[in-house]
Amino acid sequence: EAQVTQNPRYLITVTGKKLTVTCSQNMNHEYMSWYRQDPGLGLRQIYYSMNVEVTDKGDVPEGYKVSRKEKRNFPLILESPSPNQTSLYFCASSSRTGAYEQYFGPGTRLTVT
Amino acid sequence: LAKTTQPISMDSYEGQEVNITCSHNNIATNDYITWYQQFPSQGPRFIIQGYKTKVTNEVASLFIPADRKSSTLSLPRVSLSDTAVYYCLVGRFYGNNRLAFGKGNQVVVIP
Repeated sequence: EAQVTQNPRYLITVTGKKLTVTCSQNMNHEYMSWYRQDPGLGLRQIYYSMNVEVTDKGDVPEGYKVSRKEKRNFPLILESPSPNQTSLYFCASSSRTGAYEQYFGPGTRLTVT
Repeated sequence: LAKTTQPISMDSYEGQEVNITCSHNNIATNDYITWYQQFPSQGPRFIIQGYKTKVTNEVASLFIPADRKSSTLSLPRVSLSDTAVYYCLVGRFYGNNRLAFGKGNQVVVIP
C-alpha cells in the first residue's frame, strides 16, 4: 500500500531535549516536505526537499533541521525544542513537485513543556 | 510565492451543492491550482487540480475563470461526511517549491 508514515504519532517532551520525528514514503517520490499546523494558522511549510541531499527552507524553518540522505526518508530534527514548537506536524511526498499531488502522513502531535 | 485567500468558514445543508472560493491574485503564468480536503487530526487529501476553465472528477469540479485570479471548488450534493477544512494551493511543477497552503475554509454540512 502506497503510504507516508510518521513516527512517533504523539510525543510529549521538555524544553531543550533534542528530538527527531521520522518520515518515510514507499512510493519512490522525489519531493518531500514538512508542515506544521496550528489553530487559526492553517498549514505552514517548514522545509522541503526536491531529492536526495537537496533541501530548502519553507515559511517557518527557524528551530528545525532536516536531512535527506535516502530518497524514502526525510526526518525532522528539533535540536532544542521550545514550547512554541508545540504543534501538529505533517510530512508529505509527491512524485514531481509540491505543486503536484501530495500524499500526507497521519501527523505527529508534539507537546513541548 | 503565490498566496491564497479563502473565507474562514461556511455552512451548507445536506444534499445541496457547495461552492468554495479561493482568491489568488498574484498567480503566475505557469502556476497550477490544487485543492485539498482535511478532516480533524488527519493529513490533507488531494481532491482536484487544474490550470484553466473547468476540471471535473468523480468527487468535485473546479472552475477557473479566464484571468485565473480566483477558483471555485464545487461539491455536488454534500453529505455530513463532507464536513472538513478545504485548502487551495497555487504552485508550479518546476523551480521553487516553497508553498503556502493558507488557513483554509471550514465547511460544515448541516443535517
